[in-house]
Amino acid sequence: EPEVTQTPSHQVTQMGQEVILRCVPISNHLYFYWYRQILGQKVEFLVSFYNNEISEKSEIFDDQFSVERPDGSNFTLKIRSTKLEDSAMYFCASSTSSQETQYFGPGTRLLVL
Amino acid sequence: GESVGLHLPTLSVQEGDNSIINCAYSNSASDYFIWYKQESGKGPQFIIDIRSNMDKRQGQRVTVLLNKTVKHLSLQIAATQPGDSAVYFCAEKGMDSGGGADGLTFGKGTHLIIQP
Repeated sequence: EPEVTQTPSHQVTQMGQEVILRCVPISNHLYFYWYRQILGQKVEFLVSFYNNEISEKSEIFDDQFSVERPDGSNFTLKIRSTKLEDSAMYFCASSTSSQETQYFGPGTRLLVL
Repeated sequence: GESVGLHLPTLSVQEGDNSIINCAYSNSASDYFIWYKQESGKGPQFIIDIRSNMDKRQGQRVTVLLNKTVKHLSLQIAATQPGDSAVYFCAEKGMDSGGGADGLTFGKGTHLIIQP
């Protein structure tokens, strides 16, 4: 069964450093998403991406965040200058259309020290 | 503001019993609702969904009920098994929701514990 994959599973970084989180969406999916989940809290939408551009973004997705689809399979989330409060689980998801089910990857646990 | 929330943070049931997990939503414009299961250290796993033109949908051992009048969603799990132990999230989607037209708005989650 096809699934969304994410790397790395864990990332530890120093405050102020840049991190890139990677995702491989399900191959025939066209919409891609990033969500985050701070420990003990609910999952929060960050951004959606379609046709090589951002489709929607939340208030959380400020100028320190960016997304990219550098090739035909990867979808990345970059955090330019990490802050302590960026520590969270980051989930990638994909769907065939914006109205269909979003399937989630296993997540990357980011810890900013 | 718009939000999706769950009534109970923890639900404990005996193995073999039926479970009912509830969810209230406040955005009347929501038209798509999903239940996800999240096991420790894993991502949300799709269980079942329902659109606003329906009030009931059944899957394998699971049933989702939607009451648009009171903006309430529930997930029924029949004959619970140890593998059902997880956190269950409801999520909603629709125009003008907190997540925009594409993003899902999640509730806080209910931790379902299956007692042997």
